[in-house]
Amino acid sequence: AQSVTQLDSQVPVFEEAPVELRCNYSSSVSVYLFWYVQYPNQGLQLLLKYLSGSTLVKGINGFEAEFNKSQTSFHLRKPSVHISDTAEYFCAVSVSGGATNKLIFGTGTLLAVQP
Amino acid sequence: NAGVTQTPKFQVLKTGQSMTLQCAQDMNHNSMYWYRQDPGMGLRLIYYSASEGTTDKGEVPNGYNVSRLNKREFSLRLESAAPSQTSVYFCASSEGPLTNEKLFFGSGTQLSVL
Repeated sequence: AQSVTQLDSQVPVFEEAPVELRCNYSSSVSVYLFWYVQYPNQGLQLLLKYLSGSTLVKGINGFEAEFNKSQTSFHLRKPSVHISDTAEYFCAVSVSGGATNKLIFGTGTLLAVQP
Repeated sequence: NAGVTQTPKFQVLKTGQSMTLQCAQDMNHNSMYWYRQDPGMGLRLIYYSASEGTTDKGEVPNGYNVSRLNKREFSLRLESAAPSQTSVYFCASSEGPLTNEKLFFGSGTQLSVL
């Protein structure tokens, strides 16, 4: 079975600083990986996804993530954050080609951007 | 473009009361889902409907029932609410049932059971 770990429950960062949100997964088969973002009082929306191909995936709002199979990681990065990036970020994993009912979400990381 | 619409946004129930959470999508999606979000636990799937006319249990179905009323609408019913069902509930939809299809979420229902 797959699992996903987001070790950091909260990441405080100053505006215009770089940020990395960590995500590690466990699986014995090939996987799809996702990052979703939840702005205050809103539902989740897809930030980016890795299905296959290039290990560096670019998403919306200047975020990118790198799939590292040897380290079983899919860390999310942004070189310079804005106040508006304050939100909760969820990593998710599924088996490649699998069904959404088997999608596993992490516990979330709250990114708190301070002026 | 409304996307996924959930009602109500907030609800307070007493233990033992029943209620139905409504969800509708206007994207002609085949698959719909109900999740609950609890602090420190991420999102957990309650029930899903891979296509119109089908429903199946997810990870945490106990205490809930669902109805896929038509292609647009997917409701979640709590027959006898318990304090353990205090949570934020999200409805979501996708074009198809596979994970390469993007999930679209509603804005959530905050439910408190006293």
